[in-house]
Amino acid sequence: TQLLEQSPQFLSIQEGENLTVYCNSSSVFSSLQWYRQEPGEGPVLLVTVVTGGEVKKLKRLTFQFGDARKDSSLHITAAQPGDTGLYLCAVRDDKIIFGKGTRLHILP
Amino acid sequence: EAQVTQNPRYLITVTGKKLTVTCSQNMNHEYMSWYRQDPGLGLRQIYYSMNVEVTDKGDVPEGYKVSRKEKRNFPLILESPSPNQTSLYFCASSLVGTSGTYEQYFGPGTRLTVT
Repeated sequence: TQLLEQSPQFLSIQEGENLTVYCNSSSVFSSLQWYRQEPGEGPVLLVTVVTGGEVKKLKRLTFQFGDARKDSSLHITAAQPGDTGLYLCAVRDDKIIFGKGTRLHILP
Repeated sequence: EAQVTQNPRYLITVTGKKLTVTCSQNMNHEYMSWYRQDPGLGLRQIYYSMNVEVTDKGDVPEGYKVSRKEKRNFPLILESPSPNQTSLYFCASSLVGTSGTYEQYFGPGTRLTVT
């Protein structure tokens, strides 16, 4: 059973559109992280959320941690081709566990 | 420049020939970790180390060994590689955040092919 479920698996949208991707679990976590990975490179940390209901913004990216600390969402406003990549969520449950990711492709 | 380095970046080898992938970080991080990334399976933790001389198994430790003799280095050893260890490997080091979070910095990856 996958501890972290990310959806959708793949998303291809036009430049300028808005989108939301999700990271869900049945377990409660003290914190959750989002990473972005570009082809041929290692993941890069975008944000860490620690408080239930917390919202963090990083330019056009808005991250939210669910009230019950079981899920999180990433919303991108006015997507740009530079947003293309694999978005991964991760938690620490003794070990560090990653979701399988959402592969996002922004069409110019 | 703060970074995690891995060597080699690419390696093609044969079944059974021992190999080591090196990992080094210059950020004085205590926590270091190895992952493998496979299509459809995502990133999975192989081993991690909380500090010098302290190592623990991750989710997929079978067929791998690690050592942590110095804070900056965390080599991954495959004593007898097999084709199912063909994968993309990442080393990461972590700062421990104020809430006990692990803010990981990843190396560039090592693409290993075992024939």
